[in-house]
Amino acid sequence: NAGVMQNPRHLVRRRGQEARLRCSPMKGHSHVYWYRQLPEEGLKFMVYLQKENIIDESGMPKERFSAEFPKEGPSILRIQQVVRGDSAAYFCASSPPNAPYEQYFGPGTRLTVT
Amino acid sequence: AQRVTQPEKLLSVFKGAPVELKCNYSYSGSPELFWYVQYSRQRLQLLLRHISRESIKGFTADLNKGETSFHLKKPFAQEEDSAMYYCALSNNAGNMLTFGGGTRLMVKP
Repeated sequence: NAGVMQNPRHLVRRRGQEARLRCSPMKGHSHVYWYRQLPEEGLKFMVYLQKENIIDESGMPKERFSAEFPKEGPSILRIQQVVRGDSAAYFCASSPPNAPYEQYFGPGTRLTVT
Repeated sequence: AQRVTQPEKLLSVFKGAPVELKCNYSYSGSPELFWYVQYSRQRLQLLLRHISRESIKGFTADLNKGETSFHLKKPFAQEEDSAMYYCALSNNAGNMLTFGGGTRLMVKP
């Protein structure tokens, strides 16, 4: 089991461009979570998804950010018209359906907006 | 609202010394608490859960509801314990983790 995969590991975007971050959960896991870590801060919950459903997006900024977890393929976190303040590490985690608190983390994607 | 506070950003101890990483929380429900660890160039991983009451790599953590704390302890620190440690609180549904700001533990030889 390769664990939670995220790509790319590093992403550089200019202001105004779009960033797409991908997350493949562990085999057998149907729950995906996205977290953001700003410099010098802890991880902050963004969104919780199951296949084809957004369960909790209480941590998502109201504009420019969206997430999906389609029936086939990885979960995608999309940031439109990026700004410098979006520069952060974005972590994805997955959990088995019967243990949502048991989250396994990916290596993260470090987004830099220039 | 749930909140997790780790008051120390950095904790530096000598090898063999006792270690205590502090974690305080606020939550209106029945809390479920965790410690996660991130070693250098590795991904964040679960270290222990309060509900399992186990000792992992010599670390233990006891939930103190009166003091709303979940401090992580180890009697004798090892150099390989050097890492970032995050305390986390799960909501009642168990689908959202709230993390503290993290404490970097440095164990000197």
